[in-house]
Amino acid sequence: SQQGEEDPQALSIQEGENATMNCSYKTSINNLQWYRQNSGRGLVHLILIRSNEREKHSGRLRVTLDTSKKSSSLLITASRAADTASYFCATDAHTGNQFYFGTGTSLTVIP
Amino acid sequence: EAQVTQNPRYLITVTGKKLTVTCSQNMNHEYMSWYRQDPGLGLRQIYYSMNVEVTDKGDVPEGYKVSRKEKRNFPLILESPSPNQTSLYFCASTAGGTDTQYFGPGTRLTVL
Repeated sequence: SQQGEEDPQALSIQEGENATMNCSYKTSINNLQWYRQNSGRGLVHLILIRSNEREKHSGRLRVTLDTSKKSSSLLITASRAADTASYFCATDAHTGNQFYFGTGTSLTVIP
Repeated sequence: EAQVTQNPRYLITVTGKKLTVTCSQNMNHEYMSWYRQDPGLGLRQIYYSMNVEVTDKGDVPEGYKVSRKEKRNFPLILESPSPNQTSLYFCASTAGGTDTQYFGPGTRLTVL
């Protein structure tokens, strides 16, 4: 299976600090996406980075992609209590037909 | 409002009793997909559909069926549910291939 892995599995930080989570995957991809999930609810798309991009920003989010290492990182700057959620990376198969999600990082931001 | 809807949201059933979870999207998306989410395993793709009458197996298709007779609907069918299919199920759609997916709110299924 191509299923990726996020690291760490759980992360607890103080409000205002930065949060970094990492994702590793196994085979070549077209793009990588990050999603957020509040407890027991549907996933919400955060950001997509294509395989020919190395870094992308969206508001307080910064994503990097290293295809040589098959890894990505998501940085959330100046975290807020409302950022408390689980974060998942998702990759596609190079054929572009299937999605593979990681196991997720559970982020807790303490007010 | 662009959305993916699923019904029911919660379902408790018994082993062997056929059930269907419906999924509908109003964004005219071609690609639709079903996932199950289990603790420690993340989301795993069950089936996906690239267009009407085109469906393919994902990573964990055993025990499930799908159909895609209309573009907007993609029901998930469990012909003979078993307790190991107790899970949180999500439907998702995307305009094309591997672009942004829009997720439904989830269906929590318990099979006794």
